[in-house]
Amino acid sequence: GAGVSQSPSNKVTEKGKDVELRCDPISGHTALYWYRQSLGQGLEFLIYFQGNSAPDKSGLPSDRFSAERTGGSVSTLTIQRTQQEDSAVYLCASSLTGGGNQPQHFGDGTRLSIL
Amino acid sequence: GQNIDQPTEMTATEGAIVQINCTYQTSGFNGLFWYQQHAGEAPTFLSYNVLDGLEEKGRFSSFLSRSKGYSYLLLKELQMKDSASYLCAVYSGTYKYIFGTGTRLKVLA
Repeated sequence: GAGVSQSPSNKVTEKGKDVELRCDPISGHTALYWYRQSLGQGLEFLIYFQGNSAPDKSGLPSDRFSAERTGGSVSTLTIQRTQQEDSAVYLCASSLTGGGNQPQHFGDGTRLSIL
Repeated sequence: GQNIDQPTEMTATEGAIVQINCTYQTSGFNGLFWYQQHAGEAPTFLSYNVLDGLEEKGRFSSFLSRSKGYSYLLLKELQMKDSASYLCAVYSGTYKYIFGTGTRLKVLA
């Protein structure tokens, strides 16, 4: 597609369940970012991928969060044993090569609600 | 620490001019971005500043003063469709972007 695609757009699940969020970046973009956006908060950086490698995982909130990227394209963010504080919008963004003066192109996000 | 401050909310009238300020204190600075985000939608890129001065792009302009840690986004000839949140983000280096909480702009008829 022409833009960054995320799925599902909405996810409601019970506390303690695992969830998997998917991001399809713009074709040819080597850099991929995951952010979390909570109500009234700025975008919180979670993880960055350059190709399939994640040189910066410093933003992952806990060891319940993990992410991978395959084929330099699709990325999945997995949250294990979800907690209510995980409720937020999870945004994915990609850029051509990462860093510097390159704008990020964002997907519409996945709205995650933990009951 | 890393900190970006923006006003939470602003209101302006259709056809008017509005200035949205952003101040930042970050451990590194390699450029500042402005994004627009309509409710429930993805943020979209508006402007980028890395040198001091004004960058103009149609109805939108963005200004940067690195010595003051300050930027503003200027929107002219406001339209109803400009009602959105405006996010200020600093690229601090090493692929890390720091975002402000955003300014929610309401444009009134």
